Amino acid sequence: DTEVTQTPKHLVMGMTNKKSLKCEQHMGHRAMYWYKQKAKKPPELMFVYSYEKLSINESVPSRFSPECPNSSLLNLHLHALQPEDSALYLCASSQGPGLNYGYTFGSGTRLTVV
Amino acid sequence: SQQGEEDPQAWSIQEGENATMNCSYKTSINNLQWYRQNSGRGLVHLILIRSNEREKHSGRLRVTLDTSKKSSSLLITASRAADTASYFCATDDDSGYSTLTFGKGTMLLVSP
Repeated sequence: DTEVTQTPKHLVMGMTNKKSLKCEQHMGHRAMYWYKQKAKKPPELMFVYSYEKLSINESVPSRFSPECPNSSLLNLHLHALQPEDSALYLCASSQGPGLNYGYTFGSGTRLTVV
Repeated sequence: SQQGEEDPQAWSIQEGENATMNCSYKTSINNLQWYRQNSGRGLVHLILIRSNEREKHSGRLRVTLDTSKKSSSLLITASRAADTASYFCATDDDSGYSTLTFGKGTMLLVSP
């Protein structure tokens, strides 16, 4: 299996809702990432997990809460989002932390906050 | 070019032509990577070139790296309609955390 699987592919949520995005990989990769991408912009790093521990939180608001239950799974819990949080959320993984490896990306979750 | 605060450029070419995209970066790097993104979906890793390499090939792709000019180029030869996508270069960010920071991207349209 050489894929990163993200679910759901599309999500519409109200500003008072709680939802979660899920990311899964079975390549034995030990680093996993969440990126946020607005239309016609490059992906922006949100969180990095290295060996299942949160190593980087790029000053992301607390309404986004990451979780790494095991080495194959990465969740992003969403609560009280704002319309400006509408974006494509991308999960990625790499063999290890650092930059010796390319990243494998999932196809993303397109989130709309209403 | 992908550089600084510029908006992504859009290029339109005909099938069969070659397409060259350029990327500039600001700090010293360990390596530089190129990615392709189709229609706002996931990114696909194309090629990784290390700071001590000057040129790398993968199929119809050729990447060059000039560390003295802090620039890289991606050449797609004999383009196809399926090459229509956004192309991003990515390097270490300058925070010291060794994660990827993406350039602004170049949108390439290949017409049949």
